[in-house]
Amino acid sequence: GQQVKQSSPSLTVQEGGISILNCDYENDMFDYFAWYKKYPDNSPTLLISVRSNVDKREDGRLTVFLNKSGKHFSLHITASQPEDTAVYLCAAGDGGSNYKLTFGKGTLLTVTP
Amino acid sequence: EAAVTQSPRNKVTVTGGNVTLSCRQTNSHNYMYWYRQDTGHGLRLIHYSYGAGNLQIGDVPDGYKATRTTQEDFFLLLELASPSQTSLYFCASSETWGATAETLYFGSGTRLTVL
Repeated sequence: GQQVKQSSPSLTVQEGGISILNCDYENDMFDYFAWYKKYPDNSPTLLISVRSNVDKREDGRLTVFLNKSGKHFSLHITASQPEDTAVYLCAAGDGGSNYKLTFGKGTLLTVTP
Repeated sequence: EAAVTQSPRNKVTVTGGNVTLSCRQTNSHNYMYWYRQDTGHGLRLIHYSYGAGNLQIGDVPDGYKATRTTQEDFFLLLELASPSQTSLYFCASSETWGATAETLYFGSGTRLTVL
């Protein structure tokens, strides 16, 4: 089954608003969580990541919230800008035994002027 | 920033053809990965490796072989290509795990078309 799920294929937000992207996972062993950004015809790049020993991490306009009991993590982007328009991929990994990242299907974020 | 180079950028082959996709990273990373990206599926892991000579099976390995010949080089082999393997293939590398260095650095991708 799909271990990392992004239930929203797309999201549209107005410029200046808050974009909230969600991700659910199934594997209790996951202890590393990340968000990657991908423009069309480009390769994914890491935005922000967090380990399971924290429930929140901020970096500028980006905040990752981790809810381990709910097996859910989210990415909040404040003051969204048109250049934030891209596909956002969530990913999770288990550093204990399987040194790999499992990705969700992605959410296309469109920020309208 | 880590450099990951994939070749070729584009490849067209016929059903039953033999294809090798190449990936080289120049930052002495331990881990290397092959993913495929398809509409509606996101990124799916095919094979990965912890180091030269090591190979681990990913989530969608059927129809693919891989070989890690050196620390730098990781190859993906399709010995009998099928149209279902038409996809955008990404190679990635990472330094390590468990030491806040799990960031994956991706190559530019290889677009493979199997006719």
